[in-house]
Amino acid sequence: GESVGLHLPTLSVQEGDNSIINCAYSNSASDYFIWYKQESGKGPQFIIDIRSNMDKRQGQRVTVLLNKTVKHLSLQIAATQPGDSAVYFCAENSGSARQLTFGSGTQLTVLP
Amino acid sequence: GAGVSQSPSNKVTEKGKDVELRCDPISGHTALYWYRQRLGQGLEFLIYFQGNSAPDKSGLPSDRFSAERTGESVSTLTIQRTQQEDSAVYLCASSLAGGQYTQYFGPGTRLTVL
Repeated sequence: GESVGLHLPTLSVQEGDNSIINCAYSNSASDYFIWYKQESGKGPQFIIDIRSNMDKRQGQRVTVLLNKTVKHLSLQIAATQPGDSAVYFCAENSGSARQLTFGSGTQLTVLP
Repeated sequence: GAGVSQSPSNKVTEKGKDVELRCDPISGHTALYWYRQRLGQGLEFLIYFQGNSAPDKSGLPSDRFSAERTGESVSTLTIQRTQQEDSAVYLCASSLAGGQYTQYFGPGTRLTVL
């Protein structure tokens, strides 16, 4: 039969509120981090990235914060909209590795 | 411009059959990656191509999996003698170069092995 996947962490927010999605990364040597958004049935879509020489980067309605001391990454979405409902993945890349290592993802649901 | 495209979008096959999945990267992107995503999980790296260098096959789960890429264009991922545990979405991504360049993903191929 079909395998059952792991239950993703979930976050439910009211439309218009701010969302904060957290991610812990594993490799202290990682120096490049990316957030992706994945809607059902689609491939991951790039949202924002940050390099390890920065601790904050802002985009349109999104902000990524990097805390290298505790190996923590967060994505803040301002004024969350229904179209923001998706699974959000953080990914890390170390200088010696070419591929991305992905976290398990967080399911964001925006409530009307 | 055109993004990464993959075909077929869905593939249903019987256990033991071979399948071939195709990826067309963004024009000009020298790096190409294949990932596997099981239901409700994150992405697992499979294989990486960079220009004409030897591919990084370190993520391939078994010798039933192989991939080819002609120059800096199309890539095919082949799974021989498919097993039920191969059922997943197979995603392709491309980037300008390897390392710290943004990877852009295709829509994926959903493979179901009966």
